[in-house]
Amino acid sequence: GAGVSQSPRYKVAKRGQDVALRCDPISGHVSLFWYQQALGQGPEFLTYFQNEAQLDKSGLPSDRFFAERPEGSVSTLKIQRTQQEDSAVYLCASSLESTSSYYNEQFFGPGTRLTVL
Amino acid sequence: QKEVEQDPGPLSVPEGAIVSLNCTYSNSAFQYFMWYRQYSRKGPELLMYTYSSGNKEDGRFTAQVDKSSKYISLFIRDSQPSDSATYLCAMMGYSGAGSYQLTFGKGTKLSVIP
Repeated sequence: GAGVSQSPRYKVAKRGQDVALRCDPISGHVSLFWYQQALGQGPEFLTYFQNEAQLDKSGLPSDRFFAERPEGSVSTLKIQRTQQEDSAVYLCASSLESTSSYYNEQFFGPGTRLTVL
Repeated sequence: QKEVEQDPGPLSVPEGAIVSLNCTYSNSAFQYFMWYRQYSRKGPELLMYTYSSGNKEDGRFTAQVDKSSKYISLFIRDSQPSDSATYLCAMMGYSGAGSYQLTFGKGTKLSVIP
């Protein structure tokens, strides 16, 4: 009965480095979401996958952010040439069904805390 | 103005008090209204969700939605130290770009003092 897991839990990067953050959703969950949570703020939507298809990337802040879910399970969020403003907690969530007009509960992982120096 | 406004607090109450948390929103298209609890260094966990205006009760928690005023509330009765956490309101609506997504408030940090 494992929940959503994320790794690493903490990441420190020097400005300009590339980072990769991993999310393991709950097995069998169709939908996967990435959120960015800055200090003292609520999570903000980044991108959404239905199986392996990235259906919505409207929240990605710049073209330095890239996400993939090639086999419809594990997902990776990659940030290239990190900047100090990228420092935040990156949360992954999964839900059993695809998004629709009715609510499907999203289950959140513990997040990866990224600090860019 | 953000789509969802929530007073970040912090809010400190004695054990046993009734806690009232609330959010306002501007987007009439929001259809579902949620409250999440987030402990330090953890991800948010769903407490309650409601679809329409009215009240929903679950144990010590009551959620209220007033769509005409664009105002939602969460009440916690007989608050316990274990309720100390950040409470996030969230609302679901169509993103216009292919999915229904959650829009969160800033969160209110609650401390229940023994």
